[in-house]
Amino acid sequence: GENVEQHPSTLSVQEGDSAVIKCTYSDSASNYFPWYKQELGKRPQLIIDIRSNVGEKKDQRIAVTLNKTAKHFSLHITETQPEDSAVYFCAASMADSWGKFQFGAGTQVVVTP
Amino acid sequence: KAGVTQTPRYLIKTRGQQVTLSCSPISGHRSVSWYQQTPGQGLQFLFEYFSETQRNKGNFPGRFSGRQFSNSRSEMNVSTLELGDSALYLCASSKGTGAGYTFGSGTRLTVV
Repeated sequence: GENVEQHPSTLSVQEGDSAVIKCTYSDSASNYFPWYKQELGKRPQLIIDIRSNVGEKKDQRIAVTLNKTAKHFSLHITETQPEDSAVYFCAASMADSWGKFQFGAGTQVVVTP
Repeated sequence: KAGVTQTPRYLIKTRGQQVTLSCSPISGHRSVSWYQQTPGQGLQFLFEYFSETQRNKGNFPGRFSGRQFSNSRSEMNVSTLELGDSALYLCASSKGTGAGYTFGSGTRLTVV
C-alpha cells in the first residue's frame, strides 16, 4: 500500500522567515495531495491541495509543489507568523480510493517572534 | 453553513464495552471517512463511505465497523474495547471524488 514519509518532524523558524516541509510517497498511482494544519486541541484544517496534473499551486503565503517523477511534494510557507505555529500533515490518495488518505507523521512548526 | 459535527465530544468507557460514535457531514456531502489519531501512530484510515456503501477499509480489526445512512450521516462502532483503542476519532466529509475533505472536531475516546 501507499506510504508517505514527512520531514522534518519539528521545525523552528523566526517570524518572517520561510518554512519548508517535504513529503515523499511510494505509490505512483497517487494523484491527490492535500495538506492539513492542526492547532493544539483542534481539528485538522485543509490549507491547500494539489492534483497530479499540476506542478505548483499558490494561495497567498502558502504554496505546494509536486514532482511526480521523484514522487515528492513540498509545502512552502513564506513570511511566517506566530499563528502559523501548528502541526502540519501531508497526505496522499488515489482516484479509485479518493477518501482513503495515507498521512505523513506530521511536522510541528514553531514560529518564534 | 454548518461544519462536520461529531458526537459525543468525549467518552470514557471500560475495557470490554462497546461504543458508537456519530458523524453528521456537511449538507450535500455524500462521502464520509473515519480516522484514528494517536500520538504514536498518527492519523490512520479506518473506512470510507459513499452513498451508504463502504468503498474502502483500513487495516483495523473486525471490532471496528461502520455504516452510513441515507441522509449521509455515519456511525462507527467499536466492540470489545481495549486500552489501545483510546484515541481521537475523526471523521471527514466531502462531496465526493475530486473534492477536498473537511474534518470534524473529533470524539476523544478514553478506555479505562
